[in-house]
Amino acid sequence: GAVVSQHPSRVICKSGTSVKIECRSLDFQATTMFWYRQFPKQSLMLMATSNEGSKATYEQGVEKDKFLINHASLTLSTLTVTSAHPEDSSFYICSARDLAGKRYNEQFFGPGTRLTVL
Amino acid sequence: GENVEQHPSTLSVQEGDSAVIKCTYSDSASNYFPWYKQELGKRPQLIIDIRSNVGEKKDQRIAVTLNKTAKHFSLHITETQPEDSAVYFCAPGNTGNQFYFGTGTSLTVIP
Repeated sequence: GAVVSQHPSRVICKSGTSVKIECRSLDFQATTMFWYRQFPKQSLMLMATSNEGSKATYEQGVEKDKFLINHASLTLSTLTVTSAHPEDSSFYICSARDLAGKRYNEQFFGPGTRLTVL
Repeated sequence: GENVEQHPSTLSVQEGDSAVIKCTYSDSASNYFPWYKQELGKRPQLIIDIRSNVGEKKDQRIAVTLNKTAKHFSLHITETQPEDSAVYFCAPGNTGNQFYFGTGTSLTVIP
């Protein structure tokens, strides 16, 4: 149980285009999902907390107009990187919490999306 | 967000020896203390966690100890094996809130 998927696993795009990444909880409902970004040899940096049915909460320094988050259902959150540039190239990982389950403290991670902007 | 640091940042041990990684945090409200193992290009995997009502937890070769007063907790790996080589992260949190990852520790186990 508590499986999280992400799509796509890899994406290469041209500078200036927008890219959408999907994060799905497959066997539980996730009222809260988290989006992280990880640069090579660095830690996971929390970008934002995605709340179903309401606006996302962004961490300091993260541009909300550049990284659009939509959490329209209890099983799906999307992250759209708008007008992507090479410096946005990174590994993006989502996670979700199953607050109704026994393992409510844990966060369950998606497999990640490798974004390369040319 | 919470300030989370790990020490050391890199660690090399001989196979069979023990490895200890320490995580210090700033938020006294934290009540959940997990450790993750991440292999290159993969998602973090939870390897052990502890809640604030206990001081130590062990699972075979892996243990976690917590000092809530001093705001730090440690990962202990005994009888290390080459497959333990990876990057390890702590991510203390508060139930219902966000988790902030530590700076990471790269562990190399030398055969």
